Amino acid sequence: AQSVSQHNHHVILSEAASLELGCNYSYGGTVNLFWYVQYPGQHLQLLLKYFSGDPLVKGIKGFEAEFIKSKFSFNLRKPSVQWSDTAEYFCAVLPIQGAQKLVFGQGTRLTINP
Amino acid sequence: EPEVTQTPSHQVTQMGQEVILRCVPISNHLYFYWYRQILGQKVEFLVSFYNNEISEKSEIFDDQFSVERPDGSNFTLKIRSTKLEDSAMYFCASTDNSNQPQHFGDGTRLSIL
Repeated sequence: AQSVSQHNHHVILSEAASLELGCNYSYGGTVNLFWYVQYPGQHLQLLLKYFSGDPLVKGIKGFEAEFIKSKFSFNLRKPSVQWSDTAEYFCAVLPIQGAQKLVFGQGTRLTINP
Repeated sequence: EPEVTQTPSHQVTQMGQEVILRCVPISNHLYFYWYRQILGQKVEFLVSFYNNEISEKSEIFDDQFSVERPDGSNFTLKIRSTKLEDSAMYFCASTDNSNQPQHFGDGTRLSIL
């Protein structure tokens, strides 16, 4: 069965620190990969996506993610976080074939201290 | 930017009662989804809907659940006889292409008493 694993449940950083949130998935076929963000009291918003091509993808608000196929990983990074990045971050996988449903990781709560 | 809208934002219902959660997907989208998130747990897929029929459903989506697109704009999730364990945040999503990112609504918080 497909699964997505996010390594960190809760990450606490100070402003200007660098961020890396881990995401690994388990699926034998081709997938599209996504990171969604959920700010407090708001809906899930797309942060970035990977479909094909350059494995380093850039998203909104200075976020980027790198797809490493051999490691089944799609880690999210940001070189310098801000207080406004405080949110919950979800990695998600969408298989290209078969059931076309998003499979989410359990989420990582990010708290940025000013 | 067009948005997926969900109503109500919070629904409180007695156990055993029926509840209908409503969603208005983005107007030119063709694929519709319901997900739920129990407090502290993952966002879980419930059902996908395309061309006026269910295309995929999860094990969670048992006979107590149904979806409907009653008109050209609404997409509803009905739970016939709610249970305590149905308490969760329910998210509606839509997309114009099943391989493209899904756009999510704000969610409806369902509390079963």
